[in-house]
Amino acid sequence: GENVEQHPSTLSVQEGDSAVIKCTYSDSASNYFPWYKQELGKRPQLIIDIRSNVGEKKDQRIAVTLNKTAKHFSLHITETQPEDSAVYFCAAGTPTGNQFYFGTGTSLTVIP
Amino acid sequence: GAVVSQHPSWVICKSGTSVKIECRSLDFQATTMFWYRQFPKQSLMLMATSNEGSKATYEQGVEKDKFLINHASLTLSTLTVTSAHPEDSSFYICSAPGRGYTEAFFGQGTRLTVV
Repeated sequence: GENVEQHPSTLSVQEGDSAVIKCTYSDSASNYFPWYKQELGKRPQLIIDIRSNVGEKKDQRIAVTLNKTAKHFSLHITETQPEDSAVYFCAAGTPTGNQFYFGTGTSLTVIP
Repeated sequence: GAVVSQHPSWVICKSGTSVKIECRSLDFQATTMFWYRQFPKQSLMLMATSNEGSKATYEQGVEKDKFLINHASLTLSTLTVTSAHPEDSSFYICSAPGRGYTEAFFGQGTRLTVV
């Protein structure tokens, strides 16, 4: 099955700096890569996603890049704010398995 | 977007009792529901996949008899933790996939504490 790895597990940045979270996946059939933000005790919220026919996608301060050849994708948050502090999960979706596989999560802390 | 409603959001139960968690798709039909377990500061661990009208598919290492899953209709899937023990205390969350298995609509999650 699919194996998604995520790094780093924890990340602290100063407010205004950028944050980058990286994920790798193993199943070349995966074609959908969402990123979720989860605040403590709440459900994960989709913040951005990318499909395998696109290399990069941007939404205001958030961007995601995908390298299908290398099987890795990254989340970039620019001009970080304290409210960006949360746990972020990457995931890989494979239509053949009809399942989502999540990365291990990154706890992001933005220091005011 | 689609809404998945999960109840209860928090439950405390005595060791040995059973707890049922419900997930309802409010404005769409969910033929599939994923059930996850999440320990503090850890990722979502897929426990099982339920499909309407058929038996659930459990991930390796998940006890079928302990975590009973029922998906009796296109809008309701339930997870029953049977004979709960303190080690079952966790955050349980359901998720229904969108069309083409893109996107995942999550329930609010259930924090289970077994005392």
